[in-house]
Amino acid sequence: GENVEQHPSTLSVQEGDSAVIKCTYSDSASNYFPWYKQELGKRPQLIIDIRSNVGEKKDQRIAVTLNKTAKHFSLHITETQPEDSAVYFCAATPFYGQNFVFGPGTRLSVLP
Amino acid sequence: DSGVTQTPKHLITATGQRVTLRCSPRSGDLSVYWYQQSLDQGLQFLIQYYNGEERAKGNILERFSAQQFPDLHSELNLSSLELGDSALYFCASSGALGETQYFGPGTRLLVL
Repeated sequence: GENVEQHPSTLSVQEGDSAVIKCTYSDSASNYFPWYKQELGKRPQLIIDIRSNVGEKKDQRIAVTLNKTAKHFSLHITETQPEDSAVYFCAATPFYGQNFVFGPGTRLSVLP
Repeated sequence: DSGVTQTPKHLITATGQRVTLRCSPRSGDLSVYWYQQSLDQGLQFLIQYYNGEERAKGNILERFSAQQFPDLHSELNLSSLELGDSALYFCASSGALGETQYFGPGTRLLVL
């Protein structure tokens, strides 16, 4: 089955700097890769996703890149702000509703 | 608001008891997923239902069971509760293609 690793487990950056979180997956059949942000005590919320036929996707300050050959994908947040502080989870899944496998999460702290 | 609802919001009970958590998916979504999140931990996948049928099973204990009803709402039953079952339980739903999962607000269970 799929196994997703995520690094780093914690990340502290200064406000305005960039943050990068990387995930690796094991199942080459996986072709959908979402990223979720979870603030303390709240629900995980989808922030960006990418499919296997795309190498990069951007949404304002957030971007995700995918390297299918190496089986890794990364979340990039630029110009970080204090409200970006949260736990970020990556996930991988093959198509058609197979259960997601989530990474263990990265706790991002943006220091003012 | 993701459109996924969960009740109750909070639940306090004693060891050995049984509780039922309820989830209503987004309108039109056929898949329902249940996750357990212990304090400062990741999202542990428990079980998935698709249109009333069990689709995938994760690390769900034998004391736990779930079902999805004809109106697509789902219930997670937790019995013989132990202190270690205290956690946040999330339900998520996705559409027929089973891609993006939208999470409910969660039920916080405290077993005393």
